[in-house]
Amino acid sequence: NAGVTQTPKFRVLKTGQSMTLLCAQDMNHEYMYWYRQDPGMGLRLIHYSVGEGTTAKGEVPDGYNVSRLKKQNFLLGLESAAPSQTSVYFCASKRDGNTEAFFGQGTRLTVV
Amino acid sequence: DQQVKQNSPSLSVQEGRISILNCDYTNSMFDYFLWYKKYPAEGPTFLISISSIKDKNEDGRFTVFLNKSAKHLSLHIVPSQPGDSAVYFCAASDFGNEKLTFGTGTRLTIIP
Repeated sequence: NAGVTQTPKFRVLKTGQSMTLLCAQDMNHEYMYWYRQDPGMGLRLIHYSVGEGTTAKGEVPDGYNVSRLKKQNFLLGLESAAPSQTSVYFCASKRDGNTEAFFGQGTRLTVV
Repeated sequence: DQQVKQNSPSLSVQEGRISILNCDYTNSMFDYFLWYKKYPAEGPTFLISISSIKDKNEDGRFTVFLNKSAKHLSLHIVPSQPGDSAVYFCAASDFGNEKLTFGTGTRLTIIP
């Protein structure tokens, strides 16, 4: 049982380049989330999805887009990377109701 | 606007003693609270949770206390062990259970 898997684990981008981070979960969870973790800022919600085909903005959505075409996958896209997007990105998923979220291992992204 | 606050960035406790981590929140719509533990280079892992209808929840060495009137919760670890050294995040969700809002984290160091 893999849980939540993030691809890639590390990436270095040049300013202006684009990329997509993939999150896959095998727990049949309805809800999926993308967070970024920065020093002193905790985990901040970028975008989330409450089901296949739906997405919504979190606290810090600017510069990112997401898609949830399949229930098990949640993609995070950076169309034109900026140094301010250097961060560690975490994907998470959960069932409906008062339940805990399960996190992936993280993607460390550096934009130079 | 930080809706979930952890005012202590770090805490050091001797092995065997009690560790107390604190969390305050401002949104009265929050009704479910969680604590996560995070080791370096890993994703956060769920530790313990509490619903707003309770004021205490225990799981082994870990106890979470909720004071709704003060909008405050705390995590007690007794006795503290070296393996407890990690960053601890407090999180909260509202009645709709869609979004999970995290605090900035507290780095706990257990001194042998």
